[in-house]
Parts: sequence; structure tokens; C-alpha cells
Amino acid sequence: DIQMTQSPPSLSASVGDRVTITCRASQTIVKYLNWYQVKPGIAPKLLIDAASRLQSGIPARFSGSGSETDFTLTISSLQPEDFATYYCQQSYSTFWTFGQGTKVEIK
Amino acid sequence: QVQLLESGPGLVKPSETLSLTCTVSRDSISTYYWSWIRQPPGKGLEWIGNLFYNGITYYNPSLESRLSMSVDTSKSQLSLRLTSVTAADTAMYYCSKVRGSGRGGSHDFWGPGIAVTVSS
Repeated sequence: DIQMTQSPPSLSASVGDRVTITCRASQTIVKYLNWYQVKPGIAPKLLIDAASRLQSGIPARFSGSGSETDFTLTISSLQPEDFATYYCQQSYSTFWTFGQGTKVEIK
Repeated sequence: QVQLLESGPGLVKPSETLSLTCTVSRDSISTYYWSWIRQPPGKGLEWIGNLFYNGITYYNPSLESRLSMSVDTSKSQLSLRLTSVTAADTAMYYCSKVRGSGRGGSHDFWGPGIAVTVSS
């Protein structure tokens, strides 16, 4: 199975900060990489698919990049509603896997 | 847009079978792939498996021996059955719609989830 490793596991940031989360795959996944936002008590939300395609309704401050094994989710200017846990997920193999998550907390 | 709602018992005894249902509304269940995902307390998301209305399924190898997923098109429902449960199966269980059919797919809509505890 393909292992997905996110870093950092958690981070503290202030409103307005630029935040970068990385996700590394244990083998190439081309660009079959998705990013999700998870908040307690709320259905998870798909932010980005295919490594960089922003979903309809998702603010443009979110962006994704990368290919092969290394990927990045960037929030250009952190807003109060962005404090959440973010997960990457590969859909290259038949067996889909998620990263372990990155919790973004208020500094 | 599609709506998903998970249902089932919130408490299951160890060694018994967990059975969950996901009701799909506002779209055809026969059009897309569907998925189950879970999140144990304090842990990350775990993909359980994908299924298509015609019976095609893809299971997480770590659960495959205990897992069964199916679609009832007449009721527009997905079902999940997990046998011989232990405390390690305690989690929030989500169903989702899958955009795409395999490689390159994503979970584009999710249900609110249902909390399941395995305890005697």
C-alpha cells in the first residue's frame, strides 16, 4: 500500500499568516492527490483534487501544488474559519490512503 | 446536490456485527461510486472501501476479511457490514459520494457521520 506522510502533525498560526502543509507519498502517485478539511461535528469537505484543482465554493486563499511524491497545501492568509485538521489522500492505487492529518490551531 | 445520511446502532458489543446504512437523496445511486470512511477517536481518517451499484467493490485489505458493502438501488441505500468487531472498530463512520471511478477519484460529498462505539 502507498503510505502518505504529512508534516507537520500540528501547527500554531495567527489570523493572516501564510500556512503550508506538506504531504509525501511513499511512491509516485502522479497527481492523484486530494486535500480535505475536517472540523468536529461537520461533514469533511473536499478542498482540492488532482493536486491543484480548487473545488467550487472553496476560497482562493487555498491552493495545492506538487506531483509524483511531494505535494503542498497552502493557505495564503489564514482566516478564523480555517482552524481545522487537514488531510491529504491518494487515489492512485486501488487501495486509497489518507495522511495522518495536520491540525491547524490558533496561536 | 446529493445528500447522504448515515444510520445504525451507536453501540455494538464486541465480537458482534456492525451494520450501517447510508441513505442517498437528491441524486441517483446508480450513477456514481460510493465510499465508506471512518475516524477512530483522536486518530486520522481511514478509507474502508469503495462500491458501485452493480456490485463492484474495493476493500481496505486490513478489513477485507470482515467487511461487506452493498447497494440497494430500490431504497437508494448503501450498507456496510463489519463482523467480529473489537474496540479498535470504535469510530465515526462516514459515507461519501466518489467523483470518478477509481484512479483519480475523490470524496466530493460526505454524510455527517455516525458515531459507533464497540463496548460490552
